[in-house]
Amino acid sequence: GAVVSQHPSWVICKSGTSVKIECRSLDFQATTMFWYRQFPKQSLMLMATSNEGSKATYEQGVEKDKFLINHASLTLSTLTVTSAHPEDSSFYICSASVRGGGASEQYFGPGTRLTVT
Amino acid sequence: GNSVTQMEGPVTLSEEAFLTINCTYTATGYPSLFWYVQYPGEGLQLLLKATKADDKGSNKGFEATYRKETTSFHLEKGSVQVSDSAVYFCAKGQGGKLIFGQGTELSVKP
Repeated sequence: GAVVSQHPSWVICKSGTSVKIECRSLDFQATTMFWYRQFPKQSLMLMATSNEGSKATYEQGVEKDKFLINHASLTLSTLTVTSAHPEDSSFYICSASVRGGGASEQYFGPGTRLTVT
Repeated sequence: GNSVTQMEGPVTLSEEAFLTINCTYTATGYPSLFWYVQYPGEGLQLLLKATKADDKGSNKGFEATYRKETTSFHLEKGSVQVSDSAVYFCAKGQGGKLIFGQGTELSVKP
């Protein structure tokens, strides 16, 4: 149980285009989903926290107009990278937490590799 | 500060060797502490956790003890296997969020 999927697993897009990444909790309802960014050989950096039905809370330094997050249902959150540039190339990972769970109850997706050319 | 620091990798060990991966943290208050593991091509999995001082988390032969006095949560395993090869992340939880260390890559050779 507690499986989180991401789609696509990798994507290549041209500079200036937008790309959407989906994060789904497959067998549980996720009241909160988190989006992280991971650079090679580096740690996961929390980008934003999204609660179902409300606006996402972005971490300091993360551009909310560039990284659009939507959490429309208890099983789906999307991250849209708008007007992507090569510096947005990275590994994006989502996680989902169950209702009533604390920080420990985060289940992670397998990640999405974004390459902007 | 508000960070988690891990020993740098990669760490290369022979099978059945003893493993220690150091982790220290800075925080106000008493965060929950975690070790996550990322196997090649997979997402992060929770390996073990401890929620208060002197707690010991354990799973799959791995152990870590919450040391408030040294603000540490070092990961240990007495005898590693090839299948333990992965990247290990130390993390602290505070305010509903997880703050990760930079990860330590472990490679176990037969």
